Amino acid sequence: AQSVSQHNHHVILSEAASLELGCNYSYGGTVNLFWYVQYPGQHLQLLLKYFSGDPLVKGIKGFEAEFIKSKFSFNLRKPSVQWSDTAEYFCAVNPGSSASKIIFGSGTRLSIRP
Amino acid sequence: GAGVSQSPRYKVAKRGQDVALRCDPISGHVSLFWYQQALGQGPEFLTYFQNEAQLDKSGLPSDRFFAERPEGSVSTLKIQRTQQEDSAVYLCASSLESGGVRETQYFGPGTRLLVL
Repeated sequence: AQSVSQHNHHVILSEAASLELGCNYSYGGTVNLFWYVQYPGQHLQLLLKYFSGDPLVKGIKGFEAEFIKSKFSFNLRKPSVQWSDTAEYFCAVNPGSSASKIIFGSGTRLSIRP
Repeated sequence: GAGVSQSPRYKVAKRGQDVALRCDPISGHVSLFWYQQALGQGPEFLTYFQNEAQLDKSGLPSDRFFAERPEGSVSTLKIQRTQQEDSAVYLCASSLESGGVRETQYFGPGTRLLVL
């Protein structure tokens, strides 16, 4: 079955630590990739997206993600986290065969210790 | 400006009742999506509208679920004969153009449905 896996359910870091959240998917064809974030009390919002071109994509608030096709991965990174990065992060994949369907992972809760 | 709004924010229903959930997209947005988010899970795609046309309803879990957007703006998700497994947060998202997932989706706050 088609799926998106986020292996870390809860990550706890101190401020200024580096962050990498894993995401793997199980689609063999063309994919469009996303990371979404939900800050406490706020709506789900787009962090960054990859459709084609440079596999290293930059998003808002200093986040970036790297698409590695051979590994079916789209990991999210940030070199130095801040307390305000505390949120839930969702990786999502659109199989290129569908114009409208996005498959979300189960999310990773990130807690930053001040 | 106004974002996507949803109502009610919370709904408690007895098993077997019908419920209707409303989504007001951002004004002028062509595309509208519905998702279901169970506790501890990511959102799951339910259906997609482009204006009033329902172009994809492949994610609707059963024929008890029905969505409409008759005038191409406000959308209603209706669940008939609710079951306990329908308990979830129902999210609505809209995007400006008709490019499907290639357009940035703006999400609403969700409706939390609890079926007892």
